[in-house]
Amino acid sequence: DIQMTQSPSSVSASVGDRVTITCRASQGISSWLAWYQQKPGKAPKLLIYAASSLQSGVPSRFSGSGSGTDFTLTISSLQPEDFATYYCQQANSFPFAFGPGTKVDIK
Amino acid sequence: QITLKESGPTLVKPTQTLTLTCTFSGFSLSTSGVGVGWIRQPPGKALEWLALIYWDDDKRYSPSLKSRLTITKDTSKNQVVLTMTNMDPVDTATYYCAHRRRLYCSSTSCYSAFDIWGQGTMVTVSS
Repeated sequence: DIQMTQSPSSVSASVGDRVTITCRASQGISSWLAWYQQKPGKAPKLLIYAASSLQSGVPSRFSGSGSGTDFTLTISSLQPEDFATYYCQQANSFPFAFGPGTKVDIK
Repeated sequence: QITLKESGPTLVKPTQTLTLTCTFSGFSLSTSGVGVGWIRQPPGKALEWLALIYWDDDKRYSPSLKSRLTITKDTSKNQVVLTMTNMDPVDTATYYCAHRRRLYCSSTSCYSAFDIWGQGTMVTVSS
């Protein structure tokens, strides 16, 4: 099974900051990676699929990159509504696996 | 507009069987490339993928839970049902169903993701 790790596990940042979250797969997954945002008490929301494709309606300050085993999610200028937990998920092979999450909170 | 909603008991006793229903609208589970998955999240913990059923009735399960899970679909009712046997307090979690479809196709591959999620339903396992 493919294992997913994320770093950091949490990050404190200010509005306007550039934030980068890293996700690593235990084996190559090509571009089969998605990023989700989850706010407390809410369902996850798809941000990025195919490693770098922005889901419709998601602000362009979110971007994804990477392929193989190493991926990044970047928020170019953090906005108040971006404080949340972010999960990566691989879909290269079953079982699908989510990363442990990265919590972005207010500095 | 695609919507999904989970329903089922909020409290189950240990050893009981949990049955959750995902009722959806705005799409057909007979459309090629479409699937519905179940994902759960224990309080304060990460997301865990459980199962997925595709339009062609292909079914996939988390290996660690495969012996306890069954996923079925009723296309005419627009429902997907997940059953989990032998419930334990560690299964206490919010259970989500989510729509999965192909979002992008390159020359070699089509990429899918869980693009629409239900609101989730909290299930507590306790005697």
